[in-house]
Amino acid sequence: KQEVTQIPAALSVPEGENLVLNCSFTDSAIYNLQWFRQDPGKGLTSLLLIQSSQREQTSGRLNASLDKSSGRSTLYIAASQPGDSATYLCAVRGNQGGKLIFGQGTELSVKP
Amino acid sequence: DGGITQSPKYLFRKEGQNVTLSCEQNLNHDAMYWYRQDPGQGLRLIYYSQIVNDFQKGDIAEGYSVSREKKESFPLTVTSAQKNPTAFYLCASSIGMGTEAFFGQGTRLTVV
Repeated sequence: KQEVTQIPAALSVPEGENLVLNCSFTDSAIYNLQWFRQDPGKGLTSLLLIQSSQREQTSGRLNASLDKSSGRSTLYIAASQPGDSATYLCAVRGNQGGKLIFGQGTELSVKP
Repeated sequence: DGGITQSPKYLFRKEGQNVTLSCEQNLNHDAMYWYRQDPGQGLRLIYYSQIVNDFQKGDIAEGYSVSREKKESFPLTVTSAQKNPTAFYLCASSIGMGTEAFFGQGTRLTVV
């Protein structure tokens, strides 16, 4: 059974710092991996989608990498800003059934 | 604007009552999903639908029912059989089962 883990559960950094959020999964047979952002009391906003054949995807200050063989993905945020404060979730989609399996998220706080 | 609309944003229900949560999308997506989010447990899949008039149980379908009579609509009914219905409910859609998923803003259901 696929399990997705995100460590740490919470992270606090000063504004301007570069940071890395981690996501690991137990079954490397994935179809793709998606990173989301969730603000308190809100829905999820899609940030990046990485297909299993890709190594990384970039959008603005965000860069997501995927190492399928080791079951790991990282989300790199450059020059963090207070507006980046939110919970970041990763989710993997398996080859069978295509359902998204979510991690529990990392709550990020960027201090001015 | 294209997107996913969930209504209402907040819903209160008395024990023993059924309640229906609305999810509408104008993205012309074939696949739609319902997730439940509880503190500390991440998102769990309730039901999903790959195409009109077809839907499948997810990981926690007991006490819930859905219908998919129109492509743009995927309502979720929380029945009195659901033992612990208080949660944040999220609807999502994607072009197909393996493609990027987009989420609505959620409905917070409270049983009083």
